[in-house]
Order: sequence, then C-alpha cells, then structure tokens
Amino acid sequence: AQTVTQSQPEMSVQEAETVTLSCTYDTSESDYYLFWYKQPPSRQMILVIRQEAYKQQNATENRFSVNFQKAAKSFSLKISDSQLGDAAMYFCAYLTGTASKLTFGTGTRLQVTL
Amino acid sequence: KAGVTQTPRYLIKTRGQQVTLSCSPISGHRSVSWYQQTPGQGLQFLFEYFSETQRNKGNFPGRFSGRQFSNSRSEMNVSTLELGDSALYLCASSLSGQGRRGYTFGSGTRLTVV
Repeated sequence: AQTVTQSQPEMSVQEAETVTLSCTYDTSESDYYLFWYKQPPSRQMILVIRQEAYKQQNATENRFSVNFQKAAKSFSLKISDSQLGDAAMYFCAYLTGTASKLTFGTGTRLQVTL
Repeated sequence: KAGVTQTPRYLIKTRGQQVTLSCSPISGHRSVSWYQQTPGQGLQFLFEYFSETQRNKGNFPGRFSGRQFSNSRSEMNVSTLELGDSALYLCASSLSGQGRRGYTFGSGTRLTVV
C-alpha cells in the first residue's frame, strides 16, 4: 500500500520569507501523481500544485514550486515570498495512475508571522 | 462557475441514528469522491462514484454507503451512528474519471455524534 509521510507537524515563516515543507512517499508504482493541498480554517481543501511522476521538470505555480526527487521518493513544497494568507494546513497527497483515490499525509500546519 | 457544494455544513446526531450528507459536484464533473477527516486518523478515503457506479471503496464498515444520481450529485449515508463517526466529511469532484488533474473539494459537513 502507498504511504505518504509529512514529518513536520508545524512550521513557521516570517512574511516575505521562503519556507519548504517536506513530504516523502512510498510506492512501487511507476505511474502516479503528487499533489499539495492547502486547508485554511474555512475547511475547504484547495489544490496548490500537482506533479506527474513521469515529468522530470519540477512544477511551479506562481510563488509555489516543488522539488520532486523521484528516486528518493521526495516531494517538497517551497513557498516563496510568504503571505499571511498562506497560513493553513498543507497536505501532501498521492494518486496512482490506475485508481481514483488520494492518499494523504498527516499535514503540516504553517504559521506566517509579521 | 459554482464549486463543489456540500449540505448541510453542520450536523448533530445521536448515537444509533442515521444521517445522509449531500454533495453537488462542479457542473460537468462526473466523478465524486468522499473522504473522512478526523484528528486521529487524518484524511481517509471512503468511496468514489463515476457515472452512478461505485468504482472504488475504502476500508470502512458497511454502515457507510453512498450513491450517485444521474445528474452526478452524490449522497453519503451512515447508519447506526457511533461516537467515532464524528468527523469532517469532505466531498471532491473531478472532470476526468481518475482525478489526475486534481480534485476540487467542497467545504465539508461537520458531523458531531453525541
């Protein structure tokens, strides 16, 4: 079974600074997708960024980028120029290419301070 | 366009009762998935429906069931409620059948069992 591990329960970053959230996963599949979701207090899970395993190029969405290391099964999220609105729970998630079920990590709570 | 709509937002039920939660996906999305989120177990996959057929099921007892209608709206039912069923229930929809482009989540239904 696939597992997703987020080893940082909480992180803190100052406004305008950069922070990196870690995620590792375990799988024997070759076709899969990785996601970072953000869950603010409003409870809605918001897709931040996605990565296809077959693509070597790291995904980027504005201030958000990933460092995808396939051999190491690592998928970290970098948030640049952090803003107060980035404060939330961040979940790393895995999706196989053959199933329609997301496997989530335990989440990292990000605090953004002035 | 409208997002994923879940009703009700909050629900309080008594042990032994049953409950039905509703989810309306984004217009045109045919896949609807359900997840349970608790502080202890995190986010766990319940089941996924595509074109009115259950395609994938998580490891939950038979008290948890669901269905999808021809307009893609989905309902989730929990019978004989237990205290441990208290959770945030999240619904997610996707355009394609396997969520490779990511799922769009609703804001969830907070169920409290007393």
